[in-house]
Amino acid sequence: KAGVTQTPRYLIKTRGQQVTLSCSPISGHRSVSWYQQTPGQGLQFLFEYFSETQRNKGNFPGRFSGRQFSNSRSEMNVSTLELGDSALYLCASSFSSGQETQYFGPGTRLLVL
Amino acid sequence: GEDVEQSLFLSVREGDSSVINCTYTDSSSTYLYWYKQEPGAGLQLLTYIFSNMDMKQDQRLTVLLNKKDKHLSLRIADTQTGDSAIYFCAESNDGNNRLAFGKGNQVVVIP
Repeated sequence: KAGVTQTPRYLIKTRGQQVTLSCSPISGHRSVSWYQQTPGQGLQFLFEYFSETQRNKGNFPGRFSGRQFSNSRSEMNVSTLELGDSALYLCASSFSSGQETQYFGPGTRLLVL
Repeated sequence: GEDVEQSLFLSVREGDSSVINCTYTDSSSTYLYWYKQEPGAGLQLLTYIFSNMDMKQDQRLTVLLNKKDKHLSLRIADTQTGDSAIYFCAESNDGNNRLAFGKGNQVVVIP
């Protein structure tokens, strides 16, 4: 079974731009969660989607948004990029939304200049 | 609230055992996880333990959970150079998938 895939793997943007990251979960998994990893803050939960609905949201500004499609693939969008948004964005999938074991993708490394 | 703490760095000789520790504050945590992250990679799930268990063994990995002290440890037996990585403990509770992570513990294995 293929693992969680994320595209693109690397991205360079400038301040004020917007970015869309994509995540394809493991086949059969319906829950997708997003995390931001930075050296200063560590791993922080962004949001979780299940059956195309946002189930949980972390403490991030409204510039961070996401969505999930009917095939469980998910995208997250960051608008009006700031330098502090430079991070590794990790996606995790699980079978359902109730404290299931989560499997992570390789991440998308975003650099904001 | 959720607060997971880990020590930062551990060096160990190849063949020795490594022990990584983690403390958490949320007594309602029901699942506790250990993840491994190698340079430039995502998180690899190593093992997890339910809060009603004290110990779980999986090949070279042994997880110990002390609920009274809210202390979790991961022991790696016969540590290999491929075990060099950052190890994160994480907790989830309230029946959802939201994970709270510690800051990670970097393990360096010396040949």
